Amino acid sequence: GNSVTQMEGPVTLSEEAFLTINCTYTATGYPSLFWYVQYPGEGLQLLLKATKADDKGSNKGFEATYRKETTSFHLEKGSVQVSDSAVYFCALGGYSTLTFGKGTMLLVSP
Amino acid sequence: GAVVSQHPSWVICKSGTSVKIECRSLDFQATTMFWYRQFPKQSLMLMATSNEGSKATYEQGVEKDKFLINHASLTLSTLTVTSAHPEDSSFYICSARDYLGGYEQFFGPGTRLTVL
Repeated sequence: GNSVTQMEGPVTLSEEAFLTINCTYTATGYPSLFWYVQYPGEGLQLLLKATKADDKGSNKGFEATYRKETTSFHLEKGSVQVSDSAVYFCALGGYSTLTFGKGTMLLVSP
Repeated sequence: GAVVSQHPSWVICKSGTSVKIECRSLDFQATTMFWYRQFPKQSLMLMATSNEGSKATYEQGVEKDKFLINHASLTLSTLTVTSAHPEDSSFYICSARDYLGGYEQFFGPGTRLTVL
């Protein structure tokens, strides 16, 4: 079956530091890959997505590349801000269902 | 746009009682709604998928008689936890999808259920 593995958090960074949150997956077929973000007290929001191998999703300075050869979809940002503090979920799926990772909490200090 | 609300945001109930959680799409028509359960430091686990006007499709291992799902309109789905027990305590999250918007799911803020 499908599964997603994310690095455990919390990830603690200073403002303007470089961010990487690792995500690897196992899946049958060729799923789409997603990163969702959950800010405190809010619902999950789609951050970015990639629908096929070598696609790069990007949004708000975040980016992730769909790597079929390493079954990975690592999230990166060159310079984090305090406002990026949230929980980030990697997910795979498509039209019918989504399979989520456990989530990684990011804490950014000034 | 694409806002999903849940009510209540948190609820505490006694063991043996039933609790209803509402999920509403505020600015779009949700042809499909999903219900997830999330344990602390765990993934979101899909419980069931419901299409408006149809019976919900439950994931393996989810008791359909315990977790009653109704999706009677294009903007409202309800999850009723019947005869709740402490092991049902969890964070319940709904999402909604509008076929016009493709396959993206829009998530509600979640409901924290505590059963005493």
